[in-house]
Amino acid sequence: NAGVTQTPKFQVLKTGQSMTLQCAQDMNHEYMSWYRQDPGMGLRLIHYSVGAGITDQGEVPNGYNVSRSTTEDFPLRLLSAAPSQTSVYFCASTPQGAGTEAFFGQGTRLTVV
Amino acid sequence: GENVEQHPSTLSVQEGDSAVIKCTYSDSASNYFPWYKQELGKGPQLIIDIRSNVGEKKDQRIAVTLNKTAKHFSLHITETQPEDSAVYFCAASGSGTASKLTFGTGTRLQVTL
Repeated sequence: NAGVTQTPKFQVLKTGQSMTLQCAQDMNHEYMSWYRQDPGMGLRLIHYSVGAGITDQGEVPNGYNVSRSTTEDFPLRLLSAAPSQTSVYFCASTPQGAGTEAFFGQGTRLTVV
Repeated sequence: GENVEQHPSTLSVQEGDSAVIKCTYSDSASNYFPWYKQELGKGPQLIIDIRSNVGEKKDQRIAVTLNKTAKHFSLHITETQPEDSAVYFCAASGSGTASKLTFGTGTRLQVTL
């Protein structure tokens, strides 16, 4: 099993550009989530999904969109990148909700110039 | 929503000494408290977790204690080794399928020889 796979690992965007961060898991987990990690601020929840077709907002959803058309995939879209979105992004999946072990991907380091 | 505070932000100990990291949470409905270790360039990985019906849990050199009345929980690492050097995050969540995992801001632990 590959676990949780994120692509790309690194990305540089210009302000105003859009892009999609990919996340895929092969563990048949229902619950998936996206976090951003900034120095001194820990991991903050952007969006999460409790199953295919169901998504909800986390703590910092502005500027990001998600969809969940399959159990395996949970892409994160940046609609119009801003320098404030420079961060490391982590995707995670858990078997049953947030009250079980979360498995994280390796992260995507995004720089917006 | 839930708020998790974590202290200290940095911790330096000598090899063989013990390390203690403390967290407090705000939502009395939270009942799952995991600890994650993040090594450089990698995603966080679960090292131990505790549920609200348990006061203490041990796994070899690591232990977690929970005081529900005071809403705080702590990570204890004994006989620290250089490979324990990493960033540690505490987190809290409820157990419902739509619950969210809220992280502390992290503690950078450095174990010196």
